[in-house]
This record gives sequence, structure tokens and C-alpha cells, in this order.
Amino acid sequence: DAGVIQSPRHEVTEMGQEVTLRCKPISGHDYLFWYRQTMMRGLELLIYFNNNVPIDDSGMPEDRFSAKMPNASFSTLKIQPSEPRDSAVYFCASSSRASGVYNEQFFGPGTRLTVL
Amino acid sequence: DAKTTQPNSMESNEEEPVHLPCNHSTISGTDYIHWYRQLPSQGPEYVIHGLTSNVNNRMASLAIAEDRKSSTLILHRATLRDAAVYYCILDYSGGYQKVTFGIGTKLQVIP
Repeated sequence: DAGVIQSPRHEVTEMGQEVTLRCKPISGHDYLFWYRQTMMRGLELLIYFNNNVPIDDSGMPEDRFSAKMPNASFSTLKIQPSEPRDSAVYFCASSSRASGVYNEQFFGPGTRLTVL
Repeated sequence: DAKTTQPNSMESNEEEPVHLPCNHSTISGTDYIHWYRQLPSQGPEYVIHGLTSNVNNRMASLAIAEDRKSSTLILHRATLRDAAVYYCILDYSGGYQKVTFGIGTKLQVIP
């Protein structure tokens, strides 16, 4: 398996533009997570899905952020409009309950977003 | 949510053991203790987890205090590749998936 795939790896955009980050989880995994990492706040959970359904979006900072999971193999995180303070590394992770109690999360390589 | 406390940074000499502490005084009886690490410019990766008993795997050992209010991740022989940020995390048992990563401990390995 190729692991969790994220695209793009780097994104530079101007303030006010729409940004869409993409994630392909590991095949067979039924949980998908979006995280944001900054120097100031560390690694923060934004939202997570179970079987394509959003379970907890309490970490989404504001209405400018939205996430969707139209099917088991694809998810997007959208920021509209983007602001400089959104600059961060965004990670996607997936995991599975099928293997038992333990819920190891597998992380993608991240998308480094810079908003000018 | 129960929280963890870790030192911001630690240093170790190469090929020496490293003991990374974590305090979790408000841990509940159903919380698993997880450790992840994040190598530079990569996403976090799983290291080890446990509930009550000490655990060993190919990467590390996890020593859990008898009262479960603290734990220690042990790297038996630190290598340069072990330089990373180490996160100690609590997670509910039974498959509840939400975990909270803190700032972690940045481990520097000195050649």
C-alpha cells in the first residue's frame, strides 16, 4: 500500500483565494483525520470522519474551513477565503478499527500551505 | 479530556539509552497511553502504546507507573535517526478515535 496520499505537497496562494487540500486514505481504513500544525499551537485535530461521516468538527477554526469525504477513498479540506494566519502544514491521517481495539493512525506527508 | 505533560526538549548522546517522561495525573481507567514521533519534515508515526503493563516492541519500550499517572518511553540505544519530536497521548479505550497531540518533547541526539 502506498500509505496516505496528500496533494499538493506545497501550496502558495494569496489572501482571499480558495484553497483545496486533498487526501487519499489507506484502502480499507474507515477513519480519516485532518490536522493542522504550526509552531505556536503544535498539532491540532481539525475534524475526523468515520465511514465518510463527519463525527467531530469542533477543531475547525471557523466557517472559512470546510471538509468533505464523498467516498471512502477521498477527502478534501477547503479554506475559503484563505488568510495569512492559515499558513501551516496540514496533515491527513487514517486508521481502522477492523484490526481490533488499537487505533494506530497513519499520517500522510502533509501539505505545506503558505498564504501571502 | 485527560492531559499529558512532557518536557519541551531533551538531549541524548548517540548509542546511549534515552528515557522520555510523560505525566498524566488525570488519566482515567480506560485511557490507553500512546506514543508517536515526528521526524523532521514528516508526519507523525506510531511508536508504541499500552494500558497498564510495560510494553516492548522493535522500536522502544514503554514503562507505565503502577498508579498509571506517569509513563516513560525508553529508546534503548539512541541513533541519529531517533532525533524527532515525541508525543505522549491519551486515548479512550474501545476505539474512540479522537486523540490530542500536544507540543511533545524534541529529542536531540548528539553524535
